[in-house]
Amino acid sequence: NAGVTQTPKFRILKIGQSMTLQCAQDMNHNYMYWYRQDPGMGLKLIYYSVGAGITDKGEVPNGYNVSRSTTEDFPLRLELAAPSQTSVYFCASSSTPLDRPYGYTFGSGTRLTVV
Amino acid sequence: QKEVEQDPGPLSVPEGAIVSLNCTYSNSAFQYFMWYRQYSRKGPELLMYTYSSGNKEDGRFTAQVDKSSKYISLFIRDSQPSDSATYLCAMRALSGNNRLAFGKGNQVVVIP
Repeated sequence: NAGVTQTPKFRILKIGQSMTLQCAQDMNHNYMYWYRQDPGMGLKLIYYSVGAGITDKGEVPNGYNVSRSTTEDFPLRLELAAPSQTSVYFCASSSTPLDRPYGYTFGSGTRLTVV
Repeated sequence: QKEVEQDPGPLSVPEGAIVSLNCTYSNSAFQYFMWYRQYSRKGPELLMYTYSSGNKEDGRFTAQVDKSSKYISLFIRDSQPSDSATYLCAMRALSGNNRLAFGKGNQVVVIP
């Protein structure tokens, strides 16, 4: 089925380790986003991209990096993992602003624990 | 003041009751209003969207937008246990970079 695919679904990291959360979409969406969701805190935007080669910071970018080399893929890199990065991470994509506002399509999430 | 306010308090209702959820917002440029539903351990999925003020109905769900009061609502009639989920409001302006402003979400539990 078309949509947003996130891998892995679960991961436990030790403090100081690094990892990449993968995100791929097959809907030819230009816009892609990374959010983290903590209990009772809603969705917080980490980074977003408006197209291949273009990325920008969201509300909470510290400790993360992204790249967008293709339209389909938008990986999120965690360097030197800290317990504060324990969260559920969601990737999302959307079509361009000129299209009808169908909103975002979300992936199923990556549940990350840093110990 | 946050752009979007949504009281995240959990809501428990008996099966068949009407569920009423709402959000307030501060940015008068918002024109598109959406409700997402998120089941436990899943990603949010778009439930309904409306443009500008007015009502929109889809089966048991009704979305209302009152731009003069900067207030949006979602009503679920004849609630079912399968409606148990977290509901997030979201909204954005007509122009800009397509970024949505989200509420914190309301957890709804429908008790059989």
